[in-house]
Amino acid sequence: NAGVTQTPKFRILKIGQSMTLQCTQDMNHNYMYWYRQDPGMGLKLIYYSVGAGITDKGEVPNGYNVSRSTTEDFPLRLELAAPSQTSVYFCASSYSRAEPEAFFGQGTRLTVV
Amino acid sequence: DQQVKQNSPSLSVQEGRISILNCDYTNSMFDYFLWYKKYPAEGPTFLISISSIKDKNEDGRFTVFLNKSAKHLSLHIVPSQPGDSAVYFCAASALGDMRFGAGTRLTVKP
Repeated sequence: NAGVTQTPKFRILKIGQSMTLQCTQDMNHNYMYWYRQDPGMGLKLIYYSVGAGITDKGEVPNGYNVSRSTTEDFPLRLELAAPSQTSVYFCASSYSRAEPEAFFGQGTRLTVV
Repeated sequence: DQQVKQNSPSLSVQEGRISILNCDYTNSMFDYFLWYKKYPAEGPTFLISISSIKDKNEDGRFTVFLNKSAKHLSLHIVPSQPGDSAVYFCAASALGDMRFGAGTRLTVKP
């Protein structure tokens, strides 16, 4: 039982490049989330999903896209990377609205230069 | 808009004493409130939660109190231990939309 797995752990991107951050969970959780944490700051919600085929914007969705084709996977796509997207990205999952306790991945440290 | 606020960036307490971490929220639609603990270079780990229909939830040394009228929750740790030193985030959830505060760094001194 791996929990929430994020790949890659580290990545350096050049301005204007694109990439996909992968997230998969094996707990059969319905809800999945993407957050970013800037240095010394809290977690900002980028996108979330309450089930396969359903996604919603969070606080800071601009510059990102997501998809949820399966229960297990929730990839985050960065198009045209910008220095402002330099951050640590966390994926998380939880079972349901009534059990919102989220389990987090280890994070992806992304630097855009 | 910052819907969940933790106004104290840091807190230092002596081992064995009580630690009280505070959190305020603005959105009345939140129906679950949670506390997470985070160490450097790791993802947050869930600590304790409370639903909006309760005013207190206890789990060992950790107790969360919810005051809905004041839109305020707090986490009490008694007794505090050096291993509790970490950053604590409060979070609030509504229909899957879970927002976090900025965090409070707790230091427990031996």
